[in-house]
Amino acid sequence: KNQVEQSPQSLIILEGKNCTLQCNYTVSPFSNLRWYKQDTGRGPVSLTIMTFSENTKSNGRYTATLDADTKQSSLHITASQLSDSASYICVVTKRKSGGSYIPTFGRGTSLIVHP
Amino acid sequence: NAGVTQTPKFQVLKTGQSMTLQCAQDMNHEYMSWYRQDPGMGLRLIHYSVGAGITDQGEVPNGYNVSRSTTEDFPLRLLSAAPSQTSVYFCASSAGGEGHEKLFFGSGTQLSVL
Repeated sequence: KNQVEQSPQSLIILEGKNCTLQCNYTVSPFSNLRWYKQDTGRGPVSLTIMTFSENTKSNGRYTATLDADTKQSSLHITASQLSDSASYICVVTKRKSGGSYIPTFGRGTSLIVHP
Repeated sequence: NAGVTQTPKFQVLKTGQSMTLQCAQDMNHEYMSWYRQDPGMGLRLIHYSVGAGITDQGEVPNGYNVSRSTTEDFPLRLLSAAPSQTSVYFCASSAGGEGHEKLFFGSGTQLSVL
């Protein structure tokens, strides 16, 4: 079982609508959680970072939430645009014994925004 | 600023051939890593390095070698290519430190092993 589960697997919405993507994780010990956006044929780009003590963080039209007790995060996209069509990846980083940090990637949610 | 540069962008190999995927970053980042991305799966960590001269295995290291002789470069070597290594490979770097720094990714190398 993947330690980072994302839902839905894919999502189609109309331009201008809002949507929410979900991420559940079992990675431990938790260091931080990031959401990345990956356009087709490109490498992922970081959108937000959440640490243990943070509940909500915004980056323009993107708002991420974190509930560290239930080990759940969400990414809310407001007033979607055609350029939001991409894969959104949840990445949870844990601290490895020895001091290094290991990221675990979810499989991503594929978002398609139609005009 | 070039960021993370990967070469080549595309490569076709025959089973048993060896090759090196190149990765270079110009941000003076300590942490560098290699991932593979397969359809329907998340990116999986192959190898990583926390600084020049230091490397460690990730989740799927078998069949791959790395070295880190300089801060800038982190090549990934396929010793004897197999069809199971057909994938898209991404190199990434970050400032390292406390693990909160974001990863900067290259644009990927699409590898096909026939």
